Amino acid sequence: KAGVTQTPRYLIKTRGQQVTLSCSPISGHRSVSWYQQTPGQGLQFLFEYFSETQRNKGNFPGRFSGRQFSNSRSEMNVSTLELGDSALYLCASSRTPGTSGANTGELFFGEGSRLTVL
Amino acid sequence: SQQGEEDPQALSIQEGENATMNCSYKTSINNLQWYRQNSGRGLVHLILIRSNEREKHSGRLRVTLDTSKKSSSLLITASRAADTASYFCATVASGQNFVFGPGTRLSVLP
Repeated sequence: KAGVTQTPRYLIKTRGQQVTLSCSPISGHRSVSWYQQTPGQGLQFLFEYFSETQRNKGNFPGRFSGRQFSNSRSEMNVSTLELGDSALYLCASSRTPGTSGANTGELFFGEGSRLTVL
Repeated sequence: SQQGEEDPQALSIQEGENATMNCSYKTSINNLQWYRQNSGRGLVHLILIRSNEREKHSGRLRVTLDTSKKSSSLLITASRAADTASYFCATVASGQNFVFGPGTRLSVLP
């Protein structure tokens, strides 16, 4: 079974540009969540999609957005990039939404997209 | 506020020794999970312990959960150089998404 695939793995952008990251979940997984990881802030939740609907959103500005397609693949977009957006962006998939309480299972992570903003 | 907090932040041990990492959290949870991350890579799920469980084993891993103290510990026995990584606890609470702690960086020296 193929794992979670994130593309691109590495990218360099300049301030003011925008970027789109892609995530293909494990087959059969309908939940995709995104995290930003930086040395200073650790792993921070961006948003989660389940069956094409955004279920939850973290405390990030509106420049961060995402969507999910009918095949469960997800994209996230960051517009008007700032230096502080440099981070490892991780995507994770699961069978159930992260808010399933006692039924919440494990997350399967991709290798991440390393974004550097110059 | 951060739900899970691991300690220590960093741990350095010799191969063959045991490594213990702790995680504390603030609110009631449904389950607690431990993940491992090799440098710059994605996280890998290690073990899940439910709120009604007290201890769980998986190979060389042993996880305990004390809901009265709102804390969990991860024990890695007979550590190997390949165990060198960052370890994160993640809490799952009703109506909330996963919240990850800042992690413990484990270095296992050969």
